[in-house]
Amino acid sequence: AQKVTQAQTEISVVEKEDVTLDCVYETRDTTYYLFWYKQPPSGELVFLIRRNSFDEQNEISGRYSWNFQKSTSSFNFTITASQVVDSAVYFCALGGGNAGKSTFGDGTTLTVKP
Amino acid sequence: GAGVSQSPSNKVTEKGKDVELRCDPISGHTALYWYRQSLGQGLEFLIYFQGNSAPDKSGLPSDRFSAERTGGSVSTLTIQRTQQEDSAVYLCASSVDRGYQPQHFGDGTRLSIL
Repeated sequence: AQKVTQAQTEISVVEKEDVTLDCVYETRDTTYYLFWYKQPPSGELVFLIRRNSFDEQNEISGRYSWNFQKSTSSFNFTITASQVVDSAVYFCALGGGNAGKSTFGDGTTLTVKP
Repeated sequence: GAGVSQSPSNKVTEKGKDVELRCDPISGHTALYWYRQSLGQGLEFLIYFQGNSAPDKSGLPSDRFSAERTGGSVSTLTIQRTQQEDSAVYLCASSVDRGYQPQHFGDGTRLSIL
């Protein structure tokens, strides 16, 4: 069975601080995909990034970066110089493999204070 | 429109009534998912359709819940004899293919059972 754990339920930081959101996954599949989604207060879930299990290269997109480590089954998300607009619930998800559907973590609520 | 469309946006109904929630996925997307999100909670998987395959109904909480997808496109989630615990936001998502691809979410239907 697939499982995604986001141990941090809530994180609060002050603007311009860096923050890392943790994601640990479990799967028996050798081919799988990892995702991060953002759900701002307005409610609509938005896709941020997808990585496949064969590509452990870290990725950077502006202030966002992702660190994928198969050795620790983790796919962590770092926001550098956080901004108030980053306040949202962030979900990590695991997909592909034999299950077809994706498994979501419970989400981490990030609050960035001015 | 280009995105996933859900209707109605809000639904208020009395306990015991039946409700139908509609999802219009992105054209060409073969995979369609329904989730339930209670206030401040994560995503609860309900059902997953992939092409012409039998749907994965493993997340439906009771036999009062059912869903269908006609012509591989529009989907309807039906809740019979609604209960107060059914109150939640019901989210629909679609993707190009199975769990390999990112999901595109609609704005959701906020269901309130009085």
